[in-house]
Amino acid sequence: NAGVTQTPKFRVLKTGQSMTLLCAQDMNHEYMYWYRQDPGMGLRLIHYSVGEGTTAKGEVPDGYNVSRLKKQNFLLGLESAAPSQTSVYFCASSYSGAGLGSGANVLTFGAGSRLTVL
Amino acid sequence: AQSVTQLGSHVSVSEGALVLLRCNYSSSVPPYLFWYVQYPNQGLQLLLKYTTGATLVKGINGFEAEFKKSETSFHLTKPSAHMSDAAEYFCAVVGSNYQLIWGAGTKLIIKP
Repeated sequence: NAGVTQTPKFRVLKTGQSMTLLCAQDMNHEYMYWYRQDPGMGLRLIHYSVGEGTTAKGEVPDGYNVSRLKKQNFLLGLESAAPSQTSVYFCASSYSGAGLGSGANVLTFGAGSRLTVL
Repeated sequence: AQSVTQLGSHVSVSEGALVLLRCNYSSSVPPYLFWYVQYPNQGLQLLLKYTTGATLVKGINGFEAEFKKSETSFHLTKPSAHMSDAAEYFCAVVGSNYQLIWGAGTKLIIKP
């Protein structure tokens, strides 16, 4: 069982370059998320998707774009990287749910992608 | 607006001692609360959750947490720390948009 797989695991970019992080899940989950993790700030939600073909903004969406063309994949793009986007990025997925107490908030995480922007 | 506060960015305990990680939340709706754990160089994984029912929730690896509405707390405990418990622990509450709102995390250090 692969679960949630993120590629690449590490990447170094120069300011202004673009890149795409790929997240793939094999659990048939409806919901997928991209978070960034910075020291002392916990996790901050960038974008999320509640189903194939749909995306929504999270807490810190500026400078990022996402696409969910296939149910199992969720791509995070940086069009013009900035040093402030140096971070560890986590993808996660979950089942859909009808309410707050449902499985929608039981997230399965990938191992993370460490991005450095010089 | 919902928020989560974890007291102490680092907590250090001796092996075999009690582990207590503190989490306080604010929520305008009945809270749904979670603890996740992140081992070094890994993603987060669910430790336990409170939705409804019994206020004392048991999780994996001997951890448990108690929901106290009057204190707006959801502290995580383990009677006896093990070296393998060294990790970062995150408390989270479901927000009004059904997304998780995360605390800043507490790194648990286990002294031999």
